[in-house]
Amino acid sequence: QVQLQQSGPGLVKPSQTLSLTCAISGDSVSGNSVAWNWIRQSPSRGLEWLGRTYYRSKWYNDYAVSVRSRITFNSDTSKNHFSLQMNSVTPEDTAVYYCARGYTGYDHYFDSWGQGTLVTVSS
Amino acid sequence: QSALNQPASVSGSPGQSITISCTGTSSDVGTYRYVSWYQQHPGKAPKLMIYDVSSRPSGVSNRFSGSKSGNTASLTISGLQAEDEADYYCSSYRTSNTLDIVFGGGTKLTVL
Repeated sequence: QVQLQQSGPGLVKPSQTLSLTCAISGDSVSGNSVAWNWIRQSPSRGLEWLGRTYYRSKWYNDYAVSVRSRITFNSDTSKNHFSLQMNSVTPEDTAVYYCARGYTGYDHYFDSWGQGTLVTVSS
Repeated sequence: QSALNQPASVSGSPGQSITISCTGTSSDVGTYRYVSWYQQHPGKAPKLMIYDVSSRPSGVSNRFSGSKSGNTASLTISGLQAEDEADYYCSSYRTSNTLDIVFGGGTKLTVL
């Protein structure tokens, strides 16, 4: 059974960089067919898919258009985790951030989720 | 404003059945069978209940079922139980130059 454990600061200052990590147990960050996603949830924007990273002989990233210019994903196979970095944050980026397992190909759903991290952007 | 439209709330009594609708467009729900539904209890992460319009993950009760007609997908919960009280969200793949996954605004289910 896959488990996702998130870590990272809950408070980030405006204009700075938000960084979160998702540690995977029960699956591999570089596994075939799986993709590792970031999703956020806020009262104003609801659930919003931010993007995904996956490994198919090399690393691929898909980013949502709304955040593409500010977001970066990285993965560490030795630690079996993946991470999110979002720069130039504003109070609009205040949300609960989730990591989630998805798949590539014709599967567009998320069957395992992290516990969520409330990130507040405030000075 | 969310990409997919859901009613803000629905309610039902224990034992009854309820249906939650999710209306999209021909760019998402109307064209693809990649509709999924999530249950979220307060303070918890969403849980996958239905994928690919009508498939149930292992461990999800067969009281939960999904369907689609045109641009509208539906989640039906039969034999309502108190534990079903939660928020429910639909999601769909959307046509785009790049991968895009969109969500509904959520429906609060109250078990009376």
